[in-house]
Amino acid sequence: DSGVTQTPKHLITATGQRVTLRCSPRSGDLSVYWYQQSLDQGLQFLIQYYNGEERAKGNILERFSAQQFPDLHSELNLSSLELGDSALYFCASGGPDSTYGYTFGSGTRLTVV
Amino acid sequence: AQTVTQSQPEMSVQEAETVTLSCTYDTSESDYYLFWYKQPPSRQMILVIRQEAYKQQNATENRFSVNFQKAAKSFSLKISDSQLGDAAMYFCAYRSANFGNEKLTFGTGTRLTIIP
Repeated sequence: DSGVTQTPKHLITATGQRVTLRCSPRSGDLSVYWYQQSLDQGLQFLIQYYNGEERAKGNILERFSAQQFPDLHSELNLSSLELGDSALYFCASGGPDSTYGYTFGSGTRLTVV
Repeated sequence: AQTVTQSQPEMSVQEAETVTLSCTYDTSESDYYLFWYKQPPSRQMILVIRQEAYKQQNATENRFSVNFQKAAKSFSLKISDSQLGDAAMYFCAYRSANFGNEKLTFGTGTRLTIIP
């Protein structure tokens, strides 16, 4: 157990639908990062939140949004889903000084049919 | 923007032998951190080793070591005495030391197969 909890582990939904992925960071970590990994590809950075505020944005589609709540858990909302959104979505968390790398959750496998 | 390149999509090695995975990166920054992550079939991302750019000494973690060549912007991973459990995708990653730019930028990965 890495200490970063992602739910659900698997999600199957239809095109056009909306889903919410949830992440609870490791205790004490203020930053949450969301990454997308398509089939056999590298990880693409989507967005970072730090202590409730958006800190950095990557190649996140306008159909996607995220937020971090006062208890530091984060949610990634994906709407108007397309087949190409099928991927593994990772959440990672880091402390105030994350130079020692980040701790990743086990990911949410999203399948859009 | 920083980029990370892993030019070996796949590598294989005999069990108990040594293998080196390559990684190059492009950056205009002088201070940064480099990482190798392992992704086994379980898909969990596991930190293998890290290197601080301001340190000349190469990092080591048990059977894993790096060859960090800052001028050449090269960061290779050497796995000694390869074991079946080392079979995985290996990702090289870059992190800026600049405040507010803390995301990890990943390469496309190298799939390592261990031959018994």
